[in-house]
Amino acid sequence: DAMVIQNPRYQVTQFGKPVTLSCSQTLNHNVMYWYQQKSSQAPKLLFHYYDKDFNNEADTPDNFQSRRPNTSFCFLDIRSPGLGDAAMYLCATSRDGLAGTYEQYFGPGTRLTVT
Amino acid sequence: SQQGEEDPQALSIQEGENATMNCSYKTSINNLQWYRQNSGRGLVHLILIRSNEREKHSGRLRVTLDTSKKSSSLLITASRAADTASYFCATDAQGFQKLVFGTGTRLLVSP
Repeated sequence: DAMVIQNPRYQVTQFGKPVTLSCSQTLNHNVMYWYQQKSSQAPKLLFHYYDKDFNNEADTPDNFQSRRPNTSFCFLDIRSPGLGDAAMYLCATSRDGLAGTYEQYFGPGTRLTVT
Repeated sequence: SQQGEEDPQALSIQEGENATMNCSYKTSINNLQWYRQNSGRGLVHLILIRSNEREKHSGRLRVTLDTSKKSSSLLITASRAADTASYFCATDAQGFQKLVFGTGTRLLVSP
């Protein structure tokens, strides 16, 4: 009954080598999010999609890009990973909220290691 | 910037005891949510309280919200070892469809 699926769960990449993380959902939610979470810290929003509309956070580095080809899938591309990009990457979804923000459903995360 | 600050940063208790975590935030909100995260896993939504609500219950969880003080608390009663996790508050203050997470409280419940 997995609702938000992230692949792979663990990813090792080399410094500067592009990497793509994937997320899929079976909830048919129109909002999808990517968060970065470093050890013992809060999740930090990188960007989110409202349907096909892409919303980038002001402090998200240009090194991070995203694609959402359809409702179910969303990808996080890191063009040139640096050692500081090693983190857990969390994908989440939510319904369209008319008043405030609905609860978010998270995937299990992808732990990225950069060597 | 961080919207929520949580207190304490870490809490260690025995099974059966109650655990209380506090969250303070800076700007007005529509709702405040609490999430749980087991080590190395994704977050799980626990409870949502709207700005016009003062208290909400869900099983062993009790959440309060004081908008005048811009603070919320999460009480877990009769804690179990399985409650060991990090707990985060999150607010929607920074824009529609977005949540900003607090710094989190790491709870350790010993058998």
